[in-house]
Parts: sequence; C-alpha cells; structure tokens
Amino acid sequence: EVQLVESGGGLVKPGRSLRISCTASGFSFRDYAMSWFRQAPGKGLEWVGFLRSKAYGGTTGYAAAVKGRFTVSRDDSKGIAYLQMNSLKTEDTAVYYCTRDSRHCGRGRCWDLIDYWGQGTLVTVSS
Amino acid sequence: QAVVTQEPSLTVSPGGTVTLTCASSTGDVTNDHYPYWFQQRPGQAPRTLIFDSTDKHPWTPDRFSGSLLGGKAALTLSGAQSEDEADYYCLLSYSGDWVFGGGTKLTVL
Repeated sequence: EVQLVESGGGLVKPGRSLRISCTASGFSFRDYAMSWFRQAPGKGLEWVGFLRSKAYGGTTGYAAAVKGRFTVSRDDSKGIAYLQMNSLKTEDTAVYYCTRDSRHCGRGRCWDLIDYWGQGTLVTVSS
Repeated sequence: QAVVTQEPSLTVSPGGTVTLTCASSTGDVTNDHYPYWFQQRPGQAPRTLIFDSTDKHPWTPDRFSGSLLGGKAALTLSGAQSEDEADYYCLLSYSGDWVFGGGTKLTVL
C-alpha cells in the first residue's frame, strides 16, 4: 500500500527556516518524482514545487511565490522527500502536502502524473 | 500569472447530474494544459480523480468523468451521492508552472 507521511511542521517565526519531510512506503521511492503543495487555512490549493527522480535528471521546478526560498530534495536510500523552507513569511502559513508523481505517457507525450497524496503537515509562521 | 476560474459553488440533488468547469484566463483549455481534477472532502487531504482531461485512476468512481467542453475543462458527476459533497479543484499546467482554480464547493442536497 502506498503511504506518504508528512512530518516536521510546527510554529516558526518570520524570517526563520524549517525543513519538513515526506516519508514514503509501499513503492520504489527512487523511481518516482515527488511534488509539494500547500493550502492556507480556509483557502484553496497551491502548487509549491517538484523534484524528478534521478533517472529523469533530478530536475526541480518551483512556484514563483517560493522560488529562491524553498528547496525540494530527496534521500532515495531512506525514501524521504524534504522541503527546506527559508526566509519564511506569514503568508507561508499552510498545510503542506507531498504527492507521489508517476511517470506516465499518453497522447504522444510523457510527464510525471500526480497520483497519491499524503495527509499533510501544518506550518504556522507567526511571531 | 494565469488565472484559473471555477464556479465557487454548485448544488446537485441526490442521483442528479452536475458539471463543474475550469476556465483559463489565457484562452481555451486544451490537453496541453494537462488538466487535473481533485476532490477534497471536509477535513481530508485531496485525492486525484481525473488527469489529462479525461483519464481516471483506479479509485475514481465511474460516476465521475472528465472532458474538454467549450474551451474549458469539465468534470461531470452523474448520479450524485451524499459522499460526493466536497470541494473540487482543477489544476492546469502553463509550461511547467501549475495553477489551481479557486475550487468549487459541491453540495448534494
């Protein structure tokens, strides 16, 4: 059974850093891309960033709101994806979700398809 | 950045049919946007229902279907059940940048 468990959330002051984790089980972690999303309290979903598997270059992509401040990384030996968040702002307060992204081909092109979601971890940025 | 627009709220009767739509500020939604639909029940994490406009995951109930309709992505629910009451989000790709719609709150009443 595919499981994704986020951890490491909590209360942090503006300007500080925090690293949250996504521990995966039930599949061969190294073969999959991973993404991060977030949801501010009472608001909609927002894409944060992704990290492809090493087989596909380990490339990353980030939303404009977090580019230069957030970094997605992975430890394939442990089956964990990380989201390093620096220079945190109050507007970064949200539940952060990780997803597993499966390589998929259709309509003549291939991409990393979002399939499974974790349950999320709450990050609160406040003084 | 592009803006993705969904109906803020819709109501459907039990057993009824409803269509949710997803429009792009940049023009017609096409397969090049890799349209997704996600369901988020109250207090739960999202789950992926539809990808690439029309394709389903194994866990997607048959009563949900995706399409491109009149320049928008669409999610149709046929035979609504009480458990379908949830928020529904579409997601579009803009050359690798992903943008969500604001979500549609679907009430089954």
